[in-house]
Amino acid sequence: AQSVTQLGSHVSVSEGALVLLRCNYSSSVPPYLFWYVQYPNQGLQLLLKYTSAATLVKGINGFEAEFKKSETSFHLTKPSAHMSDAAEYFCAVSEGNAGNMLTFGGGTRLMVKP
Amino acid sequence: DTAVSQTPKYLVTQMGNDKSIKCEQNLGHDTMYWYKQDSKKFLKIMFSYNNKELIINETVPNRFSPKSPDKAHLNLHINSLELGDSAVYFCASSDRQGEKLFFGSGTQLSVL
Repeated sequence: AQSVTQLGSHVSVSEGALVLLRCNYSSSVPPYLFWYVQYPNQGLQLLLKYTSAATLVKGINGFEAEFKKSETSFHLTKPSAHMSDAAEYFCAVSEGNAGNMLTFGGGTRLMVKP
Repeated sequence: DTAVSQTPKYLVTQMGNDKSIKCEQNLGHDTMYWYKQDSKKFLKIMFSYNNKELIINETVPNRFSPKSPDKAHLNLHINSLELGDSAVYFCASSDRQGEKLFFGSGTQLSVL
């Protein structure tokens, strides 16, 4: 079975500061990992995904995430936060080619202070 | 063009009623899903539908039933609505299971 844990339901950073959102997963087979962003009153949009190629994955809006198998982690980072980055962020895992459904973490609300 | 569209956006109804939420995708995807997002933003998969194969999350009450008239549509029917059904329901689609999901903008269901 697969699962995802996002540490910190709320993260607050100042504009221009580093963003770090944590995600740890468990999976019995090599996983596919995803980060999605949800803006208020909208559906989720894909930020980036890892599917067993390069361990450092670059996504949209300057976000990137690094797959670390030894730590079973897939943390999301951005060097400099923008006010427009304020949103809910979800990490998700699927069991790769097994074609299983995505399992989402509980989400992290990112707040950006001016 | 909206890739995944669902209607209505808001649905307010009384306990005990039966209601439906419609979903359509124009991406040519083979797989469609329904997710429920509760007030704490937790997302839970309800159903996955692929080529007439329905995979049901066993925790979903049988008052909930998906109906797929064709590959581009997956509607959600809910019978005998309960207070605890209040949530935001998201439709999504993907090319294959486990791959990138495209989400609709959600239907906020309020049961009074």
